[in-house]
Amino acid sequence: GAGVSQSPSNKVTEKGKDVELRCDPISGHTALYWYRQSLGQGLEFLIYFQGNSAPDKSGLPSDRFSAERTGGSVSTLTIQRTQQEDSAVYLCASSLLQVSYEQYFGPGTRLTVT
Amino acid sequence: ELKVEQNPLFLSMQEGKNYTIYCNYSTTSDRLYWYRQDPGKSLESLFVLLSNGAVKQEGRLMASLDTKARLSTLHITAAVHDLSATYFCAANMNYGGSQGNLIFGKGTKLSVKP
Repeated sequence: GAGVSQSPSNKVTEKGKDVELRCDPISGHTALYWYRQSLGQGLEFLIYFQGNSAPDKSGLPSDRFSAERTGGSVSTLTIQRTQQEDSAVYLCASSLLQVSYEQYFGPGTRLTVT
Repeated sequence: ELKVEQNPLFLSMQEGKNYTIYCNYSTTSDRLYWYRQDPGKSLESLFVLLSNGAVKQEGRLMASLDTKARLSTLHITAAVHDLSATYFCAANMNYGGSQGNLIFGKGTKLSVKP
């Protein structure tokens, strides 16, 4: 079946611009996660959505970062006023509650802030 | 705060040799994950270990979990070039049945040479 998809695959933006990154989880998966991967910081958790519960935003690095999940499916991660340190690969994952707990990762969006 | 440490961070092996990657975590976690990442690619799930003493094997890779020692190992048997990749372990942030985000180790970059 279809896996987690993300778009765009690559995004180059100028410092100070806003960007939106999209994630389509595996159909039926109730949990959705955003992580980012950079050379300096490794793999970092950003935000976690579980069903209709309030999202766990504890990993968001600043208030320039926000995310929403509409209809329990698609999620959008928004970064406002991008900075060069935001350059990273942004990974989305989804999982099915109380089955294997396995998180399936999408291909990622490589964000470059110039 | 949950911390995950892997060692070694870099591993150069000869084909046919055996080796073990170690993953220590600092506080109670009810699940331990191993992922593989090829250059420029996303994360591929290898193993999910759910209980103390769990052992899982797939091909030349075997993972085990000792929750009392807070240690997981990934053992490589008779390495082949195709196993060259970066291997990440991750522990689940929340204990007691909820999903929660993953905390990743820094990764072990494995290079298998002929």
